[in-house]
Amino acid sequence: KAGVTQTPRYLIKTRGQQVTLSCSPISGHRSVSWYQQTPGQGLQFLFEYFSETQRNKGNFPGRFSGRQFSNSRSEMNVSTLELGDSALYLCASSFEIAKNIQYFGAGTRLSVL
Amino acid sequence: QQPVQSPQAVILREGEDAVINCSSSKALYSVHWYRQKHGEAPVFLMILLKGGEQKGHDKISASFNEKKQQSSLYLTASQLSYSGTYFCGTEIASGGSNYKLTFGKGTLLTVNP
Repeated sequence: KAGVTQTPRYLIKTRGQQVTLSCSPISGHRSVSWYQQTPGQGLQFLFEYFSETQRNKGNFPGRFSGRQFSNSRSEMNVSTLELGDSALYLCASSFEIAKNIQYFGAGTRLSVL
Repeated sequence: QQPVQSPQAVILREGEDAVINCSSSKALYSVHWYRQKHGEAPVFLMILLKGGEQKGHDKISASFNEKKQQSSLYLTASQLSYSGTYFCGTEIASGGSNYKLTFGKGTLLTVNP
């Protein structure tokens, strides 16, 4: 089975721009979660989608949004980029609702200049 | 609420043992452990469900004290390949059939020859 695929791997943007990141989960997985990782802060939860519905949401501003399509692929959008948005954005998919074992993609490294 | 991991960092010599702790203020449904090597995505190690069970994976094992909402990860006779950042994830039931997974900030483990 193919793993979780994230595109693009690297992005460079300037302040004020917007960006869209894409995630293709493992086949058969209906849950997709997004995390922001910065040095010293661990994995900060952004949101989780299950069957096209946002099921959980972290404490991030409304500039961060996401969606999930009927084929379980997910996109994350960040509008009006700030320098502090520079981070590794990880997507993870899972099969179950509970015992939510996360299978992570390699991530998208976003740099905001 | 984010679980608290301790220590933040630990340095070992090959063959030594280590313990990483994870605690939460919430009643937990499960505890997950993941390892992230430098430049790679986090990888699932094991999951512990409430019931005080202990699980093992090669020379890495973990326990879950449901009453104290604490989990510990035990690394025995460490190998160079154990180096990385270890994250605990705590899963709580957040209403209905919804479960939310939150990660700690991580423990950086370095094993030297």
